[in-house]
Amino acid sequence: GENVEQHPSTLSVQEGDSAVIKCTYSDSASNYFPWYKQELGKRPQLIIDIRSNVGEKKDQRIAVTLNKTAKHFSLHITETQPEDSAVYFCAAGGLDTGRRALTFGSGTRLQVQP
Amino acid sequence: NAGVTQTPKFQVLKTGQSMTLQCAQDMNHNSMYWYRQDPGMGLRLIYYSASEGTTDKGEVPNGYNVSRLNKREFSLRLESAAPSQTSVYFCASTPPGETQYFGPGTRLLVL
Repeated sequence: GENVEQHPSTLSVQEGDSAVIKCTYSDSASNYFPWYKQELGKRPQLIIDIRSNVGEKKDQRIAVTLNKTAKHFSLHITETQPEDSAVYFCAAGGLDTGRRALTFGSGTRLQVQP
Repeated sequence: NAGVTQTPKFQVLKTGQSMTLQCAQDMNHNSMYWYRQDPGMGLRLIYYSASEGTTDKGEVPNGYNVSRLNKREFSLRLESAAPSQTSVYFCASTPPGETQYFGPGTRLLVL
């Protein structure tokens, strides 16, 4: 089955700096790679996703890059703000109905220092 | 639309007790999932259901049973709770070709 590894487990940056979180996956059949943000005591919320036919996707201060050959993908947050502080999860899987759609990384706790 | 709802929000059980966690979605999604989240472990899949009437085991199914009652509802049952099942449980649903939408979670403490 799929195995997703996520690094680092914790990340502390100064407000305004950039943050990068990296994930690797094992199953070459995976074709969908979402990123979730989870604030304390709340449910995971999708912030951005990428599909295997795309190498990079941006949404304002957030971007995701995908290297299918190397089986890794990364989340980039620019101009970080205190409200970006949360736990971020990467995931990998297929979009086929009926498959075990997503395998999650273990999470990265991001702290943005004002 | 309420999205994905879960009940209860919080539950305390004694070892050996049983309970059922309820999940419902009003988005007409075929696929539904149960995950557990432990500190530092991310989300691990317990069971999933690709459609009404079908269920399959995920990564950590031992100690759990599920029931896909209809298209809207997917319940998770603990027949004999153990302290190792203390966790936060999330239900999720998925439309074809899209990402998962999570419920608010159920915090379970087994003493």
